[in-house]
Amino acid sequence: AQTVTQSQPEMSVQEAETVTLSCTYDTSENNYYLFWYKQPPSRQMILVIRQEAYKQQNATENRFSVNFQKAAKSFSLKISDSQLGDTAMYFCAFGGQGGSEKLVFGKGTKLTVNP
Amino acid sequence: DTAVSQTPKYLVTQMGNDKSIKCEQNLGHDTMYWYKQDSKKFLKIMFSYNNKELIINETVPNRFSPKSPDKAHLNLHINSLELGDSAVYFCASSLTGNEQYFGPGTRLTVT
Repeated sequence: AQTVTQSQPEMSVQEAETVTLSCTYDTSENNYYLFWYKQPPSRQMILVIRQEAYKQQNATENRFSVNFQKAAKSFSLKISDSQLGDTAMYFCAFGGQGGSEKLVFGKGTKLTVNP
Repeated sequence: DTAVSQTPKYLVTQMGNDKSIKCEQNLGHDTMYWYKQDSKKFLKIMFSYNNKELIINETVPNRFSPKSPDKAHLNLHINSLELGDSAVYFCASSLTGNEQYFGPGTRLTVT
């Protein structure tokens, strides 16, 4: 069974600075997907970024980028130019290759952006 | 133009009651899911349906019964509610590549 570990329960960063959230996972599969979801106080789960395991190039979405190390089974999220609106819980998630696969989530990292 | 919607958003009820949560998606996805988020914010899959067929049924008490009348709807019925059922329940849907889109969640409080 797959597991996802987020070792930082809480983090804080100053506005406009850069922060990196860590995620490691365990799987015996070769093809899979990895995601970062954001959950602000509104409770809505928002997809931030996704990475296909077969792609070597790291995914980027505006200020959000990942460092995907397949051999090390590591998938960290970098947030550049942090904004107050980035304050939220961030969840790393693993998805299998099939179209109906469940997502396995880490326990989350609570990020606070300070003014 | 809501993508994945759930009703109700809040549900307060007493132990022993039966309640339902409804979910609808207008994204044309063929797979829908129910997740439970506990008080520590941990999210775990409960069920998934693909084209109205049950695909995933994790170790969930049989008091929980999902129903998918069509591939745009997935409802969750809970019998004999217990205090431990208090949580936030999320519906989600996907088409390919496991990119799942979540509804706003239903906060269930059992008193």
